[in-house]
Amino acid sequence: GIQVEQSPPDLILQEGANSTLRCNFSDSVNNLQWFHQNPWGQLINLFYIPSGTKQNGRLSATTVATERYSLLYISSSQTTDSGVYFCAGAYSGGGADGLTFGKGTHLIIQP
Amino acid sequence: EPEVTQTPSHQVTQMGQEVILRCVPISNHLYFYWYRQILGQKVEFLVSFYNNEISEKSEIFDDQFSVERPDGSNFTLKIRSTKLEDSAMYFCAGSMGRRDTEAFFGQGTRLTVV
Repeated sequence: GIQVEQSPPDLILQEGANSTLRCNFSDSVNNLQWFHQNPWGQLINLFYIPSGTKQNGRLSATTVATERYSLLYISSSQTTDSGVYFCAGAYSGGGADGLTFGKGTHLIIQP
Repeated sequence: EPEVTQTPSHQVTQMGQEVILRCVPISNHLYFYWYRQILGQKVEFLVSFYNNEISEKSEIFDDQFSVERPDGSNFTLKIRSTKLEDSAMYFCAGSMGRRDTEAFFGQGTRLTVV
């Protein structure tokens, strides 16, 4: 199966700052998703983005499939953005049905 | 907007007891999954289910685990004899297609084995 590496593992920012989270994957994917895990443990779908760029409010994501990475941008951070951000992918060449998750980026937004 | 619903949100059980975690997937989804997240770790795939049978299972999904979709709406994960190391958050997910379509996750069931 594929390997998914996320960076940085931890990030502490002041409210209002911008951030970029990165996800590298070891092989080509036909599914790449970003999730936010809130303090209650819920996984919130942010983006389904196997390629290209999408935006949703203050969040945007870009996946460059040929170079095997994806970026999540958070602008004008708010304290409610705190939590763990996971990317997860599925290998396009077959193999596991399920998504392979990275270890996550733990984001803390301080007031 | 339709969502995946899991019950209970939190369950505490004695070691050795059986537990059943329940999920109601989005109605037009065809593929169903269970994932596990041990506290502080990443989310791990357990099993996928399609057309009323297991499609794939990970090495974590041993004989203690079973899944079924008894009535066409609910999707359950049963752990026959819980162990301390089964304590984790369990997520149900569903998708319309196989691995190349977006998966939608439930809010999770936090299982604590004491």
